[in-house]
Amino acid sequence: GAGVSQTPSNKVTEKGKYVELRCDPISGHTALYWYRQSLGQGPEFLIYFQGTGAADDSGLPNDRFFAVRPEGSVSTLKIQRTERGDSAVYLCASSLAQQGTNEQFFGPGTRLTVL
Amino acid sequence: AQKVTQAQTEISVVEKEDVTLDCVYETRDTTYYLFWYKQPPSGELVFLIRRNSFDEQNEISGRYSWNFQKSTSSFNFTITASQVVDSAVYFCALRGGTSYGKLTFGQGTILTVHP
Repeated sequence: GAGVSQTPSNKVTEKGKYVELRCDPISGHTALYWYRQSLGQGPEFLIYFQGTGAADDSGLPNDRFFAVRPEGSVSTLKIQRTERGDSAVYLCASSLAQQGTNEQFFGPGTRLTVL
Repeated sequence: AQKVTQAQTEISVVEKEDVTLDCVYETRDTTYYLFWYKQPPSGELVFLIRRNSFDEQNEISGRYSWNFQKSTSSFNFTITASQVVDSAVYFCALRGGTSYGKLTFGQGTILTVHP
């Protein structure tokens, strides 16, 4: 079956602009996660959804970052007033549920470059 | 707080050599889950293995084996008879029993296998 898909694969924007990154999880996966991976680093957790609600948003760096999952499937990560430090690969993952026994399947990521 | 340390930033071996990637973790949770992911040059994280804290049995899968030792908080990964296709970045990750799915990743180890 189809894996996790993310669009766009690359996004270049200017400092101060607004961007939206989209994630399409594996069908039937109720849990969805966003991570951010800077060059040479491991992924860092941003936010986790169980269904439509954000169960844990403790990793969002500040209030410029926001994510939604209105119908419990597709999720959008929104970044306002982008800064150069936001440049990174944004990874989305999904799993059957949030229990630790379920592995997370990752998408290919969106590479965001803020000029 | 959870922490994962992969002390080896880069490892370079010649094909057919055995190589071990180290992972040390910290958590206060009594139940937790450990993972290894592979990130090839294409960028997509590929799940390799999950281990529960209450199961210390070592595991072998083909050329891959994992050594979990709670006494030293380590979860090391060995590739036997390495191949060029094993070249990738390898991440160790931890999910605490109370973390609702959030994975904490190590910094990653870049493995290069030369022909």
